[in-house]
Amino acid sequence: DAGITQSPRHKVTETGTPVTLRCHQTENHRYMYWYRQDPGHGLRLIHYSYGVKDTDKGEVSDGYSVSRSKTEDFLLTLESATSSQTSVYFCAISGGAASYNQPQHFGDGTRLSIL
Amino acid sequence: SQQGEEDPQALSIQEGENATMNCSYKTSINNLQWYRQNSGRGLVHLILIRSNEREKHSGRLRVTLDTSKKSSSLLITASRAADTASYFCATADSGNTPLVFGKGTRLSVIA
Repeated sequence: DAGITQSPRHKVTETGTPVTLRCHQTENHRYMYWYRQDPGHGLRLIHYSYGVKDTDKGEVSDGYSVSRSKTEDFLLTLESATSSQTSVYFCAISGGAASYNQPQHFGDGTRLSIL
Repeated sequence: SQQGEEDPQALSIQEGENATMNCSYKTSINNLQWYRQNSGRGLVHLILIRSNEREKHSGRLRVTLDTSKKSSSLLITASRAADTASYFCATADSGNTPLVFGKGTRLSVIA
């Protein structure tokens, strides 16, 4: 398995609190991604990174920010969590050729509940 | 928005039968990929088929691609209970943008 670790694996928090999810990789891959997965919506891209300090918005970026200060770490922050952000969050990585077209490798997800 | 759309949404078959899932997409692609997701786990890459390929095999998996119809199919032969999972297609477009995933097909293989 690709070396991807997501933390925490589960979190319950209250509306209005800040939340940070961490993705750590040991593969030295260039590209990193954050997705959320909800019933009926499949997998939706939140933000992605194409290098240290290089990030861009995905399909559902509102209410989320990201940072990548090192190749191995990609952080997702909910500045003020809302109940609509209750979801399962997945981190993924891809590398090899300088292209997004390569297969992605996923972490096992963070289940986030916002009450 | 989703590029690939899987069909059916859910499929239930007996062990030993073949399972076929379809994926349709809208724009031109560089490649199309299939992933499996077991309950409570992340997605796992299964197979990649390039736009200039028509068919690809990997063990019990057979993937076809018809770019004229903008569709792909994933066939799992002689299914096993362990194949029970959700299966997703993902498209890599001709530009340099991240993969776009479909909503998935939930496959149940009954022993």
